[in-house]
Amino acid sequence: GNSVTQMEGPVTLSEEAFLTINCTYTATGYPSLFWYVQYPGEGLQLLLKATKADDKGSNKGFEATYRKETTSFHLEKGSVQVSDSAVYFCALDGGYQKVTFGTGTKLQVIP
Amino acid sequence: DTAVSQTPKYLVTQMGNDKSIKCEQNLGHDTMYWYKQDSKKFLKIMFSYNNKELIINETVPNRFSPKSPDKAHLNLHINSLELGDSAVYFCASSQGTGKNEQFFGPGTRLTVL
Repeated sequence: GNSVTQMEGPVTLSEEAFLTINCTYTATGYPSLFWYVQYPGEGLQLLLKATKADDKGSNKGFEATYRKETTSFHLEKGSVQVSDSAVYFCALDGGYQKVTFGTGTKLQVIP
Repeated sequence: DTAVSQTPKYLVTQMGNDKSIKCEQNLGHDTMYWYKQDSKKFLKIMFSYNNKELIINETVPNRFSPKSPDKAHLNLHINSLELGDSAVYFCASSQGTGKNEQFFGPGTRLTVL
């Protein structure tokens, strides 16, 4: 079956630091890949997505590139802000309405 | 203009009780889901409905029964609540059967005493 592995948190960074959250996946076929963000007390919301190999998703300064050769979709941001503190979920959709989520990585940004 | 709404936001109840959580989406989506998120933020799919038909049922105890009166609503009824049912429950929806993003509700925090 499909699976998503993402780095364990929590990740603590100072404001303006560079962020990488690793995500690798196992899937058959050609899944779509997503990063969702969950702010405290809220539901998940889509941060970015990529639907095919070599696609780059980007939003709010965050980026992730769909790497089929390494089965990875790492999330990066050049300069984090306190407002980026949240839990980040990598997810895979192989079709048939079933999405597989990673375990989530909590990010804390300190001033 | 809430896209996916859930009620109630908080639910505190005694073991053995029966409770329901309601979900509505106004996005015109065909597919709706229920997820359970535990205290470590692990998210697990429970059910998925497409056009009122159950298509995913992920080894959830049969004390949990989803009901979809129409494609804009997916309610979750839980019988004989147990301590281990305490979690945050999220409803979500997506369009069609393709690989589309999901839109999540704000969650219902269930506490079983």
